[in-house]
Amino acid sequence: GAVVSQHPSRVICKSGTSVKIECRSLDFQATTMFWYRQFPKKSLMLMATSNEGSKATYEQGVEKDKFLINHASLTLSTLTVTSAHPEDSSFYICSARRTGTNTGELFFGEGSRLTVL
Amino acid sequence: KNQVEQSPQSLIILEGKNCTLQCNYTVSPFSNLRWYKQDTGRGPVSLTIMTFSENTKSNGRYTATLDADTKQSSLHITASQLSDSASYICVVSGDSNYQLIWGAGTKLIIKP
Repeated sequence: GAVVSQHPSRVICKSGTSVKIECRSLDFQATTMFWYRQFPKKSLMLMATSNEGSKATYEQGVEKDKFLINHASLTLSTLTVTSAHPEDSSFYICSARRTGTNTGELFFGEGSRLTVL
Repeated sequence: KNQVEQSPQSLIILEGKNCTLQCNYTVSPFSNLRWYKQDTGRGPVSLTIMTFSENTKSNGRYTATLDADTKQSSLHITASQLSDSASYICVVSGDSNYQLIWGAGTKLIIKP
């Protein structure tokens, strides 16, 4: 089966620091990965679409300088929350679309819970 | 406006009972409809994906139906188990597989 791994699963950091979250497709190649943010008791909110070898496409209202996305290989995308503040505390989830398929099925990571003190 | 509405918002049933979750959408054009199960603090897991021409699709005790004319879908869970307690999210794909319209989810609680 297709597995997407996120790391770390939980991270606590001080305000003003930067945090990097990794999203890896373990057994398939993913040209496109997606990053979501989820608030308590709310559904997922798409933040950006990450394309291998090119710049990410950000959704309206998402600060690209705040949430840096890098998709350097077909199996790895990273989200860096820069100069984190308490309001950035949230559950961040990535998903990956297997290269070569046209069904659009997405495989999700387990999520990363960020707490900014 | 493209929207996906789910009902009920939450549901509590006894273990072993059946239940049906509803999803109505106004997404156009329509590509496919997905149901995901999301355990608390975990990423969503795909249950079914249905295209325009599919009326029903099963995955174990989960059966999804789709009526593309009325733009309604349902997820039926048979013989519920405690492990079915989760949020069930309906997601509709619009004019490309990258445009996903997310429902708010139904929180299902199974009680022993």
